[in-house]
Amino acid sequence: GAVVSQHPSRVICKSGTSVKIECRSLDFQATTMFWYRQFPKQSLMLMATSNEGSKATYEQGVEKDKFLINHASLTLSTLTVTSAHPEDSSFYICSARDRDRPNYGYTFGSGTRLTVV
Amino acid sequence: AQSVAQPEDQVNVAEGNPLTVKCTYSVSGNPYLFWYVQYPNRGLQFLLKYITGDNLVKGSYGFEAEFNKSQTSFHLKKPSALVSDSALYFCAVSGGGNKLTFGTGTQLKVEL
Repeated sequence: GAVVSQHPSRVICKSGTSVKIECRSLDFQATTMFWYRQFPKQSLMLMATSNEGSKATYEQGVEKDKFLINHASLTLSTLTVTSAHPEDSSFYICSARDRDRPNYGYTFGSGTRLTVV
Repeated sequence: AQSVAQPEDQVNVAEGNPLTVKCTYSVSGNPYLFWYVQYPNRGLQFLLKYITGDNLVKGSYGFEAEFNKSQTSFHLKKPSALVSDSALYFCAVSGGGNKLTFGTGTQLKVEL
């Protein structure tokens, strides 16, 4: 079945530094990937839609200069949290949709726990 | 705008008993409906989906869900709960486009 690999699973960084999270579709091609943020005991909030070869589409209220998204290939999207602050600490999850099987559904990565100290 | 409601924050059930986790939705056009399960500090695992066809959908781990168009519901069910089913369950809807909207999640607790 479809597999999405997300790395790292856990990262601790100092305030003011940047952190990059990778999301890879291992056995399918994804023209579209999605980045979510999840606060403790809360639902997933869509941050942005990552489109291969073009700019990401950000949801209202999400700072595009802070959360940089790059989708350079059909199997890789990256989210970079720039100048991270403690309030950026959260659980980030990516998902991808198989370009060739759009009705298959959405496959999710295992998530990245970001802690900014 | 599309939305999902999961009215119960938590559902408690004894092992061996049937379980139901409720979900209602609102979307323009035909709904694409999904159930996912999340274990602590993990991503979401796909359980089942409804796109078209039979209203009763069978998925992973013995779970099933019934699409009810008139009630705009897609409740998740399992005939006999296991302790290992204890997790956070999310219902999600898409209007056929790319964007998935999630409910707030329901914590299922199955006790011996």
